[in-house]
Amino acid sequence: IAGITQAPTSQILAAGRRMTLRCTQDMRHNAMYWYRQDLGLGLRLIHYSNTAGTTGKGEVPDGYSVSRANTDDFPLTLASAVPSQTSVYFCASSDTAGGKNEQFFGPGTRLTVL
Amino acid sequence: QKEVEQNSGPLSVPEGAIASLNCTYSDRVSQSFFWYRQYSGKSPELIMSIYSNGDKEDGRFTAQLNKASQYVSLLIRDSQPSDSATYLCAVNMIRGSTLGRLYFGRGTQLTVWP
Repeated sequence: IAGITQAPTSQILAAGRRMTLRCTQDMRHNAMYWYRQDLGLGLRLIHYSNTAGTTGKGEVPDGYSVSRANTDDFPLTLASAVPSQTSVYFCASSDTAGGKNEQFFGPGTRLTVL
Repeated sequence: QKEVEQNSGPLSVPEGAIASLNCTYSDRVSQSFFWYRQYSGKSPELIMSIYSNGDKEDGRFTAQLNKASQYVSLLIRDSQPSDSATYLCAVNMIRGSTLGRLYFGRGTQLTVWP
């Protein structure tokens, strides 16, 4: 594979359930990101990781957690899903050397919380 | 003021015309600027990066950057129906101790009609 993969492609989830969205990249990028995209609100950063072993909060982190155990994987967990977390979730990665930060996106996960 | 603002559109142009997409940003020290194309139901795709003042051309696409005016634009020459998509402007802003973070505009929807 080349690039970023995300799983699942789509999911319908009952409120209160726990859910982990998976993201894997094979470009050896140091930084990874999770965004959500909602109509009229654009892309909003949830969490990011500048390097394996570190994570940081973005613009809308509440209700989400992440981990970065290695360079390739960056899972996003919803501990107890709520309907307001219905959205399309995109994972992205970048090589931040030189400060350019060109980010490349995965195909996305469409999540519906009922 | 939002960090990144785009002309809201939608923008509609005939096939063969020049489409002009505009973006302003708030952080005067930003150094990296990007245009993404997003087809309906798909993930954002990086189509142009620009880092210095002036024009950068890639095929039918030209990115223009004016740091003094905090303005970046994308021109699409000889527009084709396949260019119909939402175009996202993104600016890398380095704040505090982070390596930088992309701030996205809400996008401009472009329709090219035959």
